[in-house]
Amino acid sequence: KQEVTQIPAALSVPEGENLVLNCSFTDSAIYNLQWFRQDPGKGLTSLLLIQSSQREQTSGRLNASLDKSSGRSTLYIAASQPGDSATYLCAVTPWLKAAGNKLTFGGGTRVLVKP
Amino acid sequence: DAGITQSPRHKVTETGTPVTLRCHQTENHRYMYWYRQDPGHGLRLIHYSYGVKDTDKGEVSDGYSVSRSKTEDFLLTLESATSSQTSVYFCAISGSGQGAVGYTFGSGTRLTVV
Repeated sequence: KQEVTQIPAALSVPEGENLVLNCSFTDSAIYNLQWFRQDPGKGLTSLLLIQSSQREQTSGRLNASLDKSSGRSTLYIAASQPGDSATYLCAVTPWLKAAGNKLTFGGGTRVLVKP
Repeated sequence: DAGITQSPRHKVTETGTPVTLRCHQTENHRYMYWYRQDPGHGLRLIHYSYGVKDTDKGEVSDGYSVSRSKTEDFLLTLESATSSQTSVYFCAISGSGQGAVGYTFGSGTRLTVV
């Protein structure tokens, strides 16, 4: 059974500092990995998706890396802003297409960026 | 969220009563999912559908049933609500391609069972 872990569970940084969020998974047979953002009381918004054959993916200030063999992904957010305050979740999809694109989530990292 | 709506947004119900949550999509996506989110457990899959009348169980399906009679609607029913089913429920959709590209979540339904 796939298990996804995110450490730390919460993180507080001053504005301008770079954020580093970690995600680990136990089964390397994944099709891809996604990072989501969740604001309080809201749904999830996809930030970055990394295919299992890729090493990293970038979008603006966000960069996500993937080391499938070691079961790890890292989300970097450069020059953090108060608007980056949210919960960040990582999720993996299974390699087998027959599994139906079901996501397995980590518990999330709650981020607070202080002005 | 654009293309996917959940109803109701909030509900309080009594233990032992049946409850139905509705998810409606306008994207014509093949896959639809119900997840629940609880502190300390993250999001866990309850049931999912891969087509009209085609559904399967997820990780935490006990006490829940689903139905999908039309592409656009996916219903989640708590047959006899219990306090352990107090949670935030999220519906999601994705296309038929492998890998959940374009996964979109609804805004959630906060259910309280008293």
